[in-house]
Amino acid sequence: AIRMTQSPSSLSASTGDRVTITCRASQGISSYLAWYQQKPGKAPKLLIYAASTLQSGVPSRFSGSGSGTDFTLTISCLQSEDFATYYCQQYYSYPQTFGPGTKVDIK
Amino acid sequence: EVQLVESGGGLVQPGGSLRLSCAASGFTFSSYWMSWVRQAPGKGLEWVANIKQDGSEKYYVDSVKGRFTISRDNAKNSLYLQMNSLRAEDTAVYYCARDTVAMVPDYWGQGTLVTVSS
Repeated sequence: AIRMTQSPSSLSASTGDRVTITCRASQGISSYLAWYQQKPGKAPKLLIYAASTLQSGVPSRFSGSGSGTDFTLTISCLQSEDFATYYCQQYYSYPQTFGPGTKVDIK
Repeated sequence: EVQLVESGGGLVQPGGSLRLSCAASGFTFSSYWMSWVRQAPGKGLEWVANIKQDGSEKYYVDSVKGRFTISRDNAKNSLYLQMNSLRAEDTAVYYCARDTVAMVPDYWGQGTLVTVSS
């Protein structure tokens, strides 16, 4: 199975900050990479798929980039509703696998 | 509005069985791949299985192969997960999700908790 890693595992930031989260795959996955946001007690929400395609309805302050093994999720101007845990997921091959998550909390 | 509602979770003893159901509405169920994803308490997400529109293709994570079976009934707009030989490590919230054309879950249910304990 393809192993996904994320860094950092957690970060503290302030509203208005630019935040970048990194995801790395143990082997090349082309652009078959998605990003999710999850808040406590809630189901995950799809933010980005195909590494950089914004899901309908997701604010444009979210962006994704990368291909192959290295990917990033950027939140350009952090809002209060963005404090959550973020997961990357590869869907290049089965089993699909998720990264361990990055928790973004308030500084 | 797309809705996915899971049911069937609960407390079960190790070695026991449970069948989860997911009732779908608000979209043409028979046109989409569907998935199950789980999350152990306080842990990250783990993809469990998915199934093609007509049920002809199914994929599983290694840890559940031979124990879990994903199925669907398009006439009833329902997705199922039959879980046998349950282990403590299967304890998790189980989410039903609709897969996009890009094969990633876009809509998720609220989840149903499965607890495997004696």
